[in-house]
Amino acid sequence: DAGVIQSPRHEVTEMGQEVTLRCKPISGHNSLFWYRQTMMRGLELLIYFNNNVPIDDSGMPEDRFSAKMPNASFSTLKIQPSEPRDSAVYFCASSSSGTGGKLFFGSGTQLSVL
Amino acid sequence: TQLLEQSPQFLSIQEGENLTVYCNSSSVFSSLQWYRQEPGEGPVLLVTVVTGGEVKKLKRLTFQFGDARKDSSLHITAAQPGDTGLYLCAGDPTGTASKLTFGTGTRLQVTL
Repeated sequence: DAGVIQSPRHEVTEMGQEVTLRCKPISGHNSLFWYRQTMMRGLELLIYFNNNVPIDDSGMPEDRFSAKMPNASFSTLKIQPSEPRDSAVYFCASSSSGTGGKLFFGSGTQLSVL
Repeated sequence: TQLLEQSPQFLSIQEGENLTVYCNSSSVFSSLQWYRQEPGEGPVLLVTVVTGGEVKKLKRLTFQFGDARKDSSLHITAAQPGDTGLYLCAGDPTGTASKLTFGTGTRLQVTL
């Protein structure tokens, strides 16, 4: 199994630009999570989907952030417009009821907003 | 917001030494998970503890869940350079891993 696949691995952009992060969960997993990791705040849950439906987006920092899951094999996290304080590593993770609550994380996208 | 404090934040030890990492909260969790994260990668689950007082062993790693299910510890015996990484505890209030609260992390460096 290829695991959770995220792209791009690194993204450098200028303030005000739109950023789109992509995630392909493990085939057969029905839950998908977006996390953000920074030195100051650690690993924070932004949003999670179950069966492609957003269940809890209370962790999304503000309206500049949006996430979609058009099908079971693809999700995006979009930031528009981006700001320097959005710089962080963004992780996607997936799980299924069959994994007993085990989350499988991707390798992350390192985002730098200049 | 449920907070999980880990201590110590940083730990640098020599190969062969023993160490313990603590994870504390004022909240009760249905279960608690421990992850290890290496540079440039996502966290990888090591273990899940679900019963108060539970002790789980994974080779040289021993995990314990507090009786009140508010705290946990990770003990490593005879640390090796391969144990180097960021150790994260994560509290699960629901038992479904859908709302994990991650700890502040302990960065471990094991040198030869």
